Amino acid sequence: DAGVIQSPRHEVTEMGQEVTLRCKPISGHNSLFWYRQTMMRGLELLIYFNNNVPIDDSGMPEDRFSAKMPNASFSTLKIQPSEPRDSAVYFCASSPEVLLAGDYEQYFGPGTRLTVT
Amino acid sequence: AQSVTQPDIHITVSEGASLELRCNYSYGATPYLFWYVQSPGQGLQLLLKYFSGDTLVQGIKGFEAEFKRSQSSFNLRKPSVHWSDAAEYFCAVALPSGGYQKVTFGTGTKLQVIP
Repeated sequence: DAGVIQSPRHEVTEMGQEVTLRCKPISGHNSLFWYRQTMMRGLELLIYFNNNVPIDDSGMPEDRFSAKMPNASFSTLKIQPSEPRDSAVYFCASSPEVLLAGDYEQYFGPGTRLTVT
Repeated sequence: AQSVTQPDIHITVSEGASLELRCNYSYGATPYLFWYVQSPGQGLQLLLKYFSGDTLVQGIKGFEAEFKRSQSSFNLRKPSVHWSDAAEYFCAVALPSGGYQKVTFGTGTKLQVIP
């Protein structure tokens, strides 16, 4: 199994530009998470999908951020327009278990390091 | 309010020495508890998890953790550290939120291993 795949691995863009991050979860996993990691705020959950449906988007910072999951094998996180404070590492994770029970393992991708200048 | 606390930001140990990383949680009942490890430039990987049963949990890479209800703690231990254990370690809890068990991560403890 290739694991969770994220692209690009690194992204450098100028303030005001649109940024799209991509994620392919592990085949057969029905839950997908987007996280943001920064030195100041640690690892924050942005959004959680279950069976392609957004269940919890309370962590999405503002309207500039949007996420979609058009099918079970692909998700995007878009920032438009981007700002320097969006610079962070963005992780995608997937899980095979039903999340009504809490002892589920999340499988993380390698992350996308975003730098907004 | 912080639901999971890792009081140590950075720890340095000598190779071969024992290791204990601290984690405390705040919740009325026993939550689901996890330890994840993040090597430089990589995503997080699950080391072990606990919900019920034996309070001493064995994980991968020779790690174990002990749940202590009286102290609201779930400390991670390893008897003999290897240089390859240098990484950042995250304690996490899953608590009910909006109809599912939401995982919240601690701020992490960065482990440095010296020869």
